[in-house]
Amino acid sequence: EVQLVESGGGLVQPGRSLRLSCAASGFTFHDHAMHWVRQAPGKGLEWVSGLRWNSDGIRYADFVKGRFTISRDNAKNSLYLQMNSLTTEDTALYYCVKSDAFDIWGQGTLVVVSS
Amino acid sequence: QAGLTQPPSVSKDLRQTATLTCTGNSNNVGNQGAAWLQQHQGHPPTLLSYRNNNRPSGISERLSASRSGNTASLTITGLQPEDEADYYCLAWDSSLSVWVFGGGTKLTVL
Repeated sequence: EVQLVESGGGLVQPGRSLRLSCAASGFTFHDHAMHWVRQAPGKGLEWVSGLRWNSDGIRYADFVKGRFTISRDNAKNSLYLQMNSLTTEDTALYYCVKSDAFDIWGQGTLVVVSS
Repeated sequence: QAGLTQPPSVSKDLRQTATLTCTGNSNNVGNQGAAWLQQHQGHPPTLLSYRNNNRPSGISERLSASRSGNTASLTITGLQPEDEADYYCLAWDSSLSVWVFGGGTKLTVL
């Protein structure tokens, strides 16, 4: 079964950091680009960042540039998102998504930024 | 980053046809098309249509996607109660080198 499982979310104070992880299984992870997409409570989907199978072509949405870093470890079938200088506007459910087709989504991990 | 434009809500009667639209520009929808995703309340999104308008396996034949110029469309025929959901379009913007979502359309089946 193709599966993506996110972890690492939680409650964090403004200005602090958090690292999200995504464990992939059921497909050849190193063959595919991967993405992070977020959804604030009651709001729409918002693309955050993505990278190619070999970690090339890293792209970020304007609102996270300089604060978030996406990475992957193909040996561990894992995707990561290091989030620094968090603000209350980063509060959202963060999804890990497979490929540029966006064909498989995890259940998401909730990040709440609050003092 | 400007997103894609979708009507916030559409309401249609049971067994009728709904057409959802997604408007972008020549750098995104008009360039490589748009994918469509469905999201039921409390669940992650599900891919309904690739950017080439093909359906993934397991997606109902009642759904079809198309594109005309800078506008992508998702047509759902024979509306069923389970079609009531939020629908999002998604495209690659070749000018900005980012992926952009539409704001989503809430489809209500009456």
